[in-house]
Amino acid sequence: GQQVMQIPQYQHVQEGEDFTTYCNSSTTLSNIQWYKQRPGGHPVFLIQLVKSGEVKKQKRLTFQFGEAKKNSSLHITATQTTDVGTYFCAGGAFGNEKLTFGTGTRLTIIP
Amino acid sequence: KAGVTQTPRYLIKTRGQQVTLSCSPISGHRSVSWYQQTPGQGLQFLFEYFSETQRNKGNFPGRFSGRQFSNSRSEMNVSTLELGDSALYLCASSWGTGLRGTSTDSYNEQFFGPGTRLTVL
Repeated sequence: GQQVMQIPQYQHVQEGEDFTTYCNSSTTLSNIQWYKQRPGGHPVFLIQLVKSGEVKKQKRLTFQFGEAKKNSSLHITATQTTDVGTYFCAGGAFGNEKLTFGTGTRLTIIP
Repeated sequence: KAGVTQTPRYLIKTRGQQVTLSCSPISGHRSVSWYQQTPGQGLQFLFEYFSETQRNKGNFPGRFSGRQFSNSRSEMNVSTLELGDSALYLCASSWGTGLRGTSTDSYNEQFFGPGTRLTVL
């Protein structure tokens, strides 16, 4: 079955440093979504990417979808304490409505 | 509009018992998905319902079942509870699932509820 892996599993950064999490799928994806889960909270949708090579930005967050539509990345510039949480990618398969969530990257900010 | 609600929020059961969790989706949403979240396994897909039909099922034993009602509300049931079933159970609703073609289409954006924290003793 489809597997979606994320690296790293954990990341500790000083406030103001950049952060990147990578998502890799075992199969070609139709789309990829990104979610953020704050400690004690539930996942909240951030963005969806559909096109090969697509890049989208939300303020300090940059999302990329690979050319082969098998990988994606989320990059945060100049992290802030509000960025703390676990970031999940979720891949959609062709012909199947199921979203497969990645293993998540837990971001901790050192003030 | 009101978000996704889940009841109960917390539940303590003993091994061998059964449990039913409820999820009320956002009004108008027809798809409800259920996930199990544990520290070691992340978010594991249980099943997805659309218009009262189960369209997808994850790799969980038959002790895990669910259903969806005509008003899109959904329930999941776990029978013969085991210690390893202790987890946060999240439901998520969306207009539907599957891609409709554009990055700006919110059709399959999942809105999660607060979850039910199940502890099995």
